[in-house]
Amino acid sequence: DVKVTQSSRYLVKRTGEKVFLECVQDMDHENMFWYRQDPGLGLRLIYFSYDVKMKEKGDIPEGYSVSREKKERFSLILESASTNQTSMYLCASSYGSGANVLTFGAGSRLTVL
Amino acid sequence: GQNIDQPTEMTATEGAIVQINCTYQTSGFNGLFWYQQHAGEAPTFLSYNVLDGLEEKGRFSSFLSRSKGYSYLLLKELQMKDSASYLCAVRDNAGNMLTFGGGTRLMVKP
Repeated sequence: DVKVTQSSRYLVKRTGEKVFLECVQDMDHENMFWYRQDPGLGLRLIYFSYDVKMKEKGDIPEGYSVSREKKERFSLILESASTNQTSMYLCASSYGSGANVLTFGAGSRLTVL
Repeated sequence: GQNIDQPTEMTATEGAIVQINCTYQTSGFNGLFWYQQHAGEAPTFLSYNVLDGLEEKGRFSSFLSRSKGYSYLLLKELQMKDSASYLCAVRDNAGNMLTFGGGTRLMVKP
């Protein structure tokens, strides 16, 4: 089974702190994605990557950056966390070219105080 | 851009049939996905449609009409474990991005 692992299930940070969310997949998938999920808004794409060192902006990239130094790892970075970034963050991966069937991680619930 | 609409909540009875609708207005279309998400868990893939018609997979079926910008997920012989959120997602023309609707929370009652 494809496994997507997110490093932290729950985080509490203060406004202005730098936050790293890590995601690792173990099935050699080319594509990796970061979404945030908020009630009533569904999943919104922040960034995605189709290859090592490659990144593309999604629908809501403002306030976020990403890093993909290795194929299996995709990191989401909040340079200076703000309260409106309190959310559930979901990482996903898929094989092949483009957004095929996504396998999601369990999510990281971030609270920014 | 993509605009995807689903009902926010639905309630159905164990053993019954329920249809969850999804309508979309998009600048491009290259397939529609349905995912199931139990509370506190990751979404899991249910079905994929790229051509018009019905795709059946056990108790679950998904239908697509591209000309109408419309899909539905049909759940038969409902079980309590089917209580979950159901997410509709459309892939863009380039096939690079999935855009999700807000999700439909289904409650199955005895």
